[in-house]
Amino acid sequence: DAGVTQSPTHLIKTRGQQVTLRCSPKSGHDTVSWYQQALGQGPQFIFQYYEEEERQRGNFPDRFSGHQFPNYSSELNVNALLLGDSALYLCASSFGGVRYEQYFGPGTRLTVT
Amino acid sequence: AQKVTQAQTEISVVEKEDVTLDCVYETRDTTYYLFWYKQPPSGELVFLIRRNSFDEQNEISGRYSWNFQKSTSSFNFTITASQVVDSAVYFCALSDNYGQNFVFGPGTRLSVLP
Repeated sequence: DAGVTQSPTHLIKTRGQQVTLRCSPKSGHDTVSWYQQALGQGPQFIFQYYEEEERQRGNFPDRFSGHQFPNYSSELNVNALLLGDSALYLCASSFGGVRYEQYFGPGTRLTVT
Repeated sequence: AQKVTQAQTEISVVEKEDVTLDCVYETRDTTYYLFWYKQPPSGELVFLIRRNSFDEQNEISGRYSWNFQKSTSSFNFTITASQVVDSAVYFCALSDNYGQNFVFGPGTRLSVLP
C-alpha cells in the first residue's frame, strides 16, 4: 500500500516565476492538506481540499492556490514566487479532515533564487 | 486563536536516559485534538499519537508515553530508555473539532548520543 507521494523532490525557481507541486494521497484517503515548513520551524497550514474544493485555509496570500482531482490527488500552485517562499512543502492526507491522523509525504524542497 | 508552545528548542541525552518533551497549548474550544509527530533526518513527518480533549487517560506505547493534563493545558511526551534512532525533531500539534484550524508547535530537536 503506497503512502503519500509528492513530486518533484527538489525544485529551483527564480523570483517571479510560478511553480506547481503535486501530491497523491494514501489509498482510501479523501482529504489532502498542504503545509509550508521553513528551515528550523514547524509546518504551517496552507489549505485543505476535500471533495475537490478548498475547505479550510491558513494565513497565506492568494498567490497560493490549489486543486484536487476526482482521484483525490492534489496540486499546489504558487504564483509570483518570492525569496521567502523557499521552504519544504509537505502534503498530508487523511480520511475526514485534519482532526484525524494525517499521513505526510516526503515533501518538495523549493528554492527560490 | 489556537497556539502550541514547545519551550525546549533542543535536548541532548545519552542513550538509555529517559527524556520528556513538553507541550503547552492554548485554545478556547472545549473539543479539540492533540497530536505528536516525529520528523527524522529524512524529513518525513511520522504520526505518533492523537488524543481528544475528553480523554485524559495517559497512554503508553512501548517506550513512549504521553501525559495529558487539561488543568495545565499540557500534553507531554516521554521516551523511556532513549535510543539513537529516537534522534529527530518532535512536533506537538493541535486541531479544533471542525478541522478548521490545525497548528504545529515549533518543535523540539532531540539528539540521543551513543
